[in-house]
Amino acid sequence: EIVLTQSPDTLSLSPGERVTLSCRASQSVSSSYLTWYQQKPGLAPRLLIYGASSRATGIPDRFSGSGSGTDFTLTISRLEPEDFAVYYCQQYDTSSQYTFGQGTKLEIK
Amino acid sequence: EVQLVESGGGLVQPGESLRLSCAASGFTFSTYWMSWVRQAPGKGLEWVANIKQAGVDKFHVDSVKGRFTISRDNAKNSLFLQMNSLRDEDTAVYYCVRGGRNGTFDYWGQGTLVTVSS
Repeated sequence: EIVLTQSPDTLSLSPGERVTLSCRASQSVSSSYLTWYQQKPGLAPRLLIYGASSRATGIPDRFSGSGSGTDFTLTISRLEPEDFAVYYCQQYDTSSQYTFGQGTKLEIK
Repeated sequence: EVQLVESGGGLVQPGESLRLSCAASGFTFSTYWMSWVRQAPGKGLEWVANIKQAGVDKFHVDSVKGRFTISRDNAKNSLFLQMNSLRDEDTAVYYCVRGGRNGTFDYWGQGTLVTVSS
């Protein structure tokens, strides 16, 4: 099983700041199958980034993803108030198994 | 508009069974993989099971193998999760999820809460 470790667990930032979230895999992940989600309290997760760097439909361009192999990042170029949420990375492997990272909580400073 | 509506959650005792259902609409259900993903209270996300379009190929996370079974009825645009021998650690919100491109989960239901407690 591929384990995804996100860092940090929590980040306290202010609107307008730039932030980079990290997702590290225990073994190499195909970039095609690395995904990021955003989850707000009481709501289902929302798809943000797929294929490590492609934005999902309707996602603002302040969100970007990058990385390859075992190291992936999600960057928000300029935080808006609605961006404060929990972010999860997720991978899919060739044995048809999916795993999620433990999540990074982005909170308002 | 894609809609996924779960039902069937509730409070059960350890060892009991429960069957979750998901009614899908707004897309051609029979052409998509479908999955269940759960989230324990205050915790992260865990993929539980998925099923290919025809309903023959199914995959389950190790922690539920032999206890949970995913199935689908393409004629009724419905997804199911039969949960037997429930344990305290199965307590979670269970989401019905559509499988999108590149191994993603592109649409999610609102979730149904399963509580296993004596």
